[in-house]
Amino acid sequence: EAQVTQNPRYLITVTGKKLTVTCSQNMNHEYMSWYRQDPGLGLRQIYYSMNVEVTDKGDVPEGYKVSRKEKRNFPLILESPSPNQTSLYFCASSSLYPGQGKSQPQHFGDGTRLSIL
Amino acid sequence: SQQGEEDPQALSIQEGENATMNCSYKTSINNLQWYRQNSGRGLVHLILIRSNEREKHSGRLRVTLDTSKKSSSLLITASRAADTASYFCATGIQGAQKLVFGQGTRLTINP
Repeated sequence: EAQVTQNPRYLITVTGKKLTVTCSQNMNHEYMSWYRQDPGLGLRQIYYSMNVEVTDKGDVPEGYKVSRKEKRNFPLILESPSPNQTSLYFCASSSLYPGQGKSQPQHFGDGTRLSIL
Repeated sequence: SQQGEEDPQALSIQEGENATMNCSYKTSINNLQWYRQNSGRGLVHLILIRSNEREKHSGRLRVTLDTSKKSSSLLITASRAADTASYFCATGIQGAQKLVFGQGTRLTINP
């Protein structure tokens, strides 16, 4: 089954304790992206990746890091989490990036709800 | 301001009625996509419409795109309680590497 898998689904942690949210897709997609969703602000892109070893900042990258060492995995790293990073996070993937002529829909994971105390 | 802005922000109708949601955007797009999100869950793709298309259908869903007005609409016909969710439009801007989401319309279908 085609899917994007995020882990963990829920996490409560404390300020400053490094954490990683994993994302894996089994569709051989080149494009992957991380979003955060906050009430009243909709979904905002954090980072995206066009392919292995190719990553770039989205609209709200501060406080986050990513890596793309393998095509299927795109972890989101919070090296020193702060309470303003409490949010619902989504990973997504697609075969082409959104602005391409033959762009395809993005597949989303089920989300990771992070609470930073 | 948002690339995609949706209207209304919330909509409550009776089961069986039609629901219409609108999305406006500012810059030239390659495509526009509609997604559904059930409370706290992941987004599910509904329809993708390209800039050279004017209308697309999928089951009870109909999406229109007017590039001259930079707007799109999503029509859900014969609504059901299971259609209760938030609906988002997202624009694929020409040449850009990201999808820009609107803030969504919260749809409630009353039995």
